[in-house]
Amino acid sequence: GAVVSQHPSWVICKSGTSVKIECRSLDFQATTMFWYRQFPKQSLMLMATSNEGSKATYEQGVEKDKFLINHASLTLSTLTVTSAHPEDSSFYICSAPKSASTSYNEQFFGPGTRLTVL
Amino acid sequence: AQSVAQPEDQVNVAEGNPLTVKCTYSVSGNPYLFWYVQYPNRGLQFLLKYITGDNLVKGSYGFEAEFNKSQTSFHLKKPSALVSDSALYFCAVRDMTSNTGKLIFGQGTTLQVKP
Repeated sequence: GAVVSQHPSWVICKSGTSVKIECRSLDFQATTMFWYRQFPKQSLMLMATSNEGSKATYEQGVEKDKFLINHASLTLSTLTVTSAHPEDSSFYICSAPKSASTSYNEQFFGPGTRLTVL
Repeated sequence: AQSVAQPEDQVNVAEGNPLTVKCTYSVSGNPYLFWYVQYPNRGLQFLLKYITGDNLVKGSYGFEAEFNKSQTSFHLKKPSALVSDSALYFCAVRDMTSNTGKLIFGQGTTLQVKP
């Protein structure tokens, strides 16, 4: 299989601060990465599609100025939660398809980052 | 609209018994279907997928799923459940309106296997 890592695995921050979450594909290159948000015992909500070398594509209702995504290289995408508030507390998960052909390959998921905003 | 439904929030089964976790889908055209498992505070792990070919797909950890086009279903099955199979299971279908491989997830089903 392929390995996707996330850092940090958990973070606690004060309201109003910004938090950066990294997603790395460790043994393959990912031109596309996906960022999800998951509330307790609920499904994954796709927030945005991160594209290497271009702007991210955000899902409807997701504030692009609040959730900044940067896909700086073929192995790294970052999600920055700006001016975080308690309602941003959640489990954030990234994923990446392994092949350049994304049409039918499974996605590989990171272990997730638990964000708690006080 | 494309969608995936997992009608059961929770499935309870005794260890050693067969298990089924249900999934139905609605997409235009031929579906690409996936099952993932999530353990507490972890990311999702891929179990199996159906793209084309045999309707019965075998995957990781002894799981299999049967694609039924007429019933638009892709139920996950295992002949003999283990306590360690207890987890949250997600069915997903590829968003055919997107060229990025985006997935649409069901709401998840918690599988509880009791000794």
